[in-house]
Amino acid sequence: DAGVIQSPRHEVTEMGQEVTLRCKPISGHDYLFWYRQTMMRGLELLIYFNNNVPIDDSGMPEDRFSAKMPNASFSTLKIQPSEPRDSAVYFCASSFSWQPQHFGDGTRLSIL
Amino acid sequence: SQQGEEDPQALSIQEGENATMNCSYKTSINNLQWYRQNSGRGLVHLILIRSNEREKHSGRLRVTLDTSKKSSSLLITASRAADTASYFCATDNFGSSNTGKLIFGQGTTLQVKP
Repeated sequence: DAGVIQSPRHEVTEMGQEVTLRCKPISGHDYLFWYRQTMMRGLELLIYFNNNVPIDDSGMPEDRFSAKMPNASFSTLKIQPSEPRDSAVYFCASSFSWQPQHFGDGTRLSIL
Repeated sequence: SQQGEEDPQALSIQEGENATMNCSYKTSINNLQWYRQNSGRGLVHLILIRSNEREKHSGRLRVTLDTSKKSSSLLITASRAADTASYFCATDNFGSSNTGKLIFGQGTTLQVKP
């Protein structure tokens, strides 16, 4: 079975540019989560969806961040405009109901 | 606010020794989970223990849960170099609506020396 697929694996861009991170969850999973991991703050939940509907976006740091899930097999996290402090590893995870979450291998984002 | 806090932050042991990591949390929970993260990879689920369970085993892993102290421990027996990774506990926030949302601790970095 294919796991959670994230793209790109690495992204380096200049501040002010728009960044789009992509995620394909495991087929059949009804929950999708976006996390950000940094040394200083650890693993933070940004937003999560249930059946493609955003449920809790209280972790989204600013209006510069937005996430969408147009269908059950695809989600995006967008940062516009990007800033150096957005540099982090961004993870997508999916789960079925209350079952344990399955994580992708993350996107390592560097904003110069 | 952070729900789970692991202790110690870092642990270094020799292969074959046992490794124990602890997790404390603040609110009532439905269950507590442990995850492992290898360098450069995503988190991988190891084991889940429900709030009405006190101990659970899976291979070389043993997890205990003390809801009165709001704490859990993960024991890895007969450690191997391949166990080198960061280990995280994660809890849900029990409330009127169980949402499946998890709060992760800061993790314990385990190094197993061959």
